[in-house]
Amino acid sequence: DAGITQSPRHKVTETGTPVTLRCHQTENHRYMYWYRQDPGHGLRLIHYSYGVKDTDKGEVSDGYSVSRSKTEDFLLTLESATSSQTSVYFCAISPDDSYEQYFGPGTRLTVT
Amino acid sequence: KQEVTQIPAALSVPEGENLVLNCSFTDSAIYNLQWFRQDPGKGLTSLLLIQSSQREQTSGRLNASLDKSSGRSTLYIAASQPGDSATYLCAVAAQGGSEKLVFGKGTKLTVNP
Repeated sequence: DAGITQSPRHKVTETGTPVTLRCHQTENHRYMYWYRQDPGHGLRLIHYSYGVKDTDKGEVSDGYSVSRSKTEDFLLTLESATSSQTSVYFCAISPDDSYEQYFGPGTRLTVT
Repeated sequence: KQEVTQIPAALSVPEGENLVLNCSFTDSAIYNLQWFRQDPGKGLTSLLLIQSSQREQTSGRLNASLDKSSGRSTLYIAASQPGDSATYLCAVAAQGGSEKLVFGKGTKLTVNP
C-alpha cells in the first residue's frame, strides 16, 4: 500500500466552525490531491498541489483552502464549515512520471 | 469538458462468470486511463493504469483495454469470485492536464456464491 495517512478519520463539527484535514505521505511524490465523494456525484477534485507551496483549484474549490509547506503534508481547510460540506474526503498522491494516483483511507466529515 | 460514464451502475453475477465493465469518455485526447476498486467504507485501490499509447494492460484475472478513438475502455474480470464484489471506478487524465483525473460514478459489482 502507498504510504498515505489521513487524519482525523472521522469528525463531527458544527456549522460555522473551522476544520482542517491532514494528509501525510511517506512516498516523496510530487503531486497531492484532495477529493470529496458524495452519492450521485462521484469523486470530485477540490484542490491539488504540484510541489511545496504550489497549489491549484479543482472542480469544487469554493469554501476550501489548502496549504503545502512540506513535501509530505497537504492540509485541507474549511474556513467556516457548512452542511453541504458533509462528505467523505480522500487524499491522493502521484509521482510525476506515470501520474498513477494512490488514495488514502478517507476522512468522513459530518457538519451539523 | 471531459465526462466519464460507466454503465451499468450495478451488476450482479454468479460466481465463476467472466464479466466486462464498461467506461466511456467524451474527449479522446487523454493522457492515461486508470481503473480503481473501492470496497464499502474504504479508499480507492488502483488496479490498472493504461497510458494513451497502450491498448491494454493485464494484472492477474484483470484485463483492461483502451480504444481512444471510440472513447471507450473495458475492464474484463475472469472467473469472478465473491471477493471481487466492490465498486469499480474508471478515471481519465487529459493531455495537458495529466495530473488531474476525471472520474466516472462507478459500477457496483456483486458476485454471488
